[in-house]
Amino acid sequence: IAGITQAPTSQILAAGRRMTLRCTQDMRHNAMYWYRQDLGLGLRLIHYSNTAGTTGKGEVPDGYSVSRANTDDFPLTLASAVPSQTSVYFCATAREGDGTDTQYFGPGTRLTVL
Amino acid sequence: GQNIDQPTEMTATEGAIVQINCTYQTSGFNGLFWYQQHAGEAPTFLSYNVLDGLEEKGRFSSFLSRSKGYSYLLLKELQMKDSASYLCAVRDGNYQLIWGAGTKLIIKP
Repeated sequence: IAGITQAPTSQILAAGRRMTLRCTQDMRHNAMYWYRQDLGLGLRLIHYSNTAGTTGKGEVPDGYSVSRANTDDFPLTLASAVPSQTSVYFCATAREGDGTDTQYFGPGTRLTVL
Repeated sequence: GQNIDQPTEMTATEGAIVQINCTYQTSGFNGLFWYQQHAGEAPTFLSYNVLDGLEEKGRFSSFLSRSKGYSYLLLKELQMKDSASYLCAVRDGNYQLIWGAGTKLIIKP
């Protein structure tokens, strides 16, 4: 693994289904973030984790949950997908969890909810 | 509220110079970032400004005026590969990143 990986690359999902987007990093960065990117809007923060074992809510957390059991993994779960969750999802990391460091992005997951 | 403004789209010619502006209104300021994002790819870090002035990095330069809430990204000697979206982001007083919607730059031969 080199950097940040996300899986799946893309997914089409029926509304009401549960879905987990995976994010794994090998940089030993403390902080991890989940964003969604929609046309015409800036990146919007869904959830974040400043260090393993802690998580926090971002700007648009409703309908999403996260966990941070270890440093490397930060999965994002949609408990019951809805069409408005159709988006491109990016995972990002930063060395420190205090917000002072540059964020680096994974390749993204394109999710379509029908 | 907090706000980042960038032009939606710009067009420039290969070999020319283009300036992409970003204005912001945030609760506090702890730095401004520029990222490049090619279509279908992840944003990649370009530059960071926290003090007023110009930061030069090869063909790319970024300028910041904190008193005016203003930054620009200057791209020189444009190449076709510079066709991408350019995202401005400001770190606010709580060290949260606020993102602009991005400027799509189209380079014509």
